Amino acid sequence: GENVEQHPSTLSVQEGDSAVIKCTYSDSASNYFPWYKQELGKRPQLIIDIRSNVGEKKDQRIAVTLNKTAKHFSLHITETQPEDSAVYFCAASTGAGNKLTFGGGTRVLVKP
Amino acid sequence: NAGVTQTPKFRVLKTGQSMTLLCAQDMNHEYMYWYRQDPGMGLRLIHYSVGEGTTAKGEVPDGYNVSRLKKQNFLLGLESAAPSQTSVYFCASSYAVPSGSSIPGPDTQYFGPGTRLTVL
Repeated sequence: GENVEQHPSTLSVQEGDSAVIKCTYSDSASNYFPWYKQELGKRPQLIIDIRSNVGEKKDQRIAVTLNKTAKHFSLHITETQPEDSAVYFCAASTGAGNKLTFGGGTRVLVKP
Repeated sequence: NAGVTQTPKFRVLKTGQSMTLLCAQDMNHEYMYWYRQDPGMGLRLIHYSVGEGTTAKGEVPDGYNVSRLKKQNFLLGLESAAPSQTSVYFCASSYAVPSGSSIPGPDTQYFGPGTRLTVL
């Protein structure tokens, strides 16, 4: 089955700096890659996603890049703010049953 | 439009007891999922359903059963709870076909608020 690895597990950045989280996946048939943000005690919420027919997608301060050849994708947060502090999860899906396989998560701390 | 709701929010069980977690969605989603989340770990898929009356095993199905008798509801059952099942359980749902497409494929999964279960 699919295996998704996520790095780093923790990330501390100064407010205003950029944060980058990287994920690799094992199944070349995966075609959908969402990113979820989870605040403490809350549910995961989708912040951005990308499909395999696109190499990059941007939404304000958040961007995701996908390298299908290398089987990895990354989340980029620019101009970080304290409210960006949360745990971020990447995931991958082959489409079968729309099942998602999640990475282990990255705890991001933005220091004011 | 409540989205995805879960009942109960918290529960404490003794080893060997049984319980059922209820997930309900009002978005007319075809697909529904049950995940567990353990401290410091990502979400792991327990069971899922691609339509009313259908269920399938996920990554960690042992010790759990599910049923989807109605499209809007997905039940997760623990027949004989064990301490290893202490976790936060999340339900999610999604459309079978992404918006703007006519081809079935992965789409956004919307999560419920979670149920925190402790088994003593």
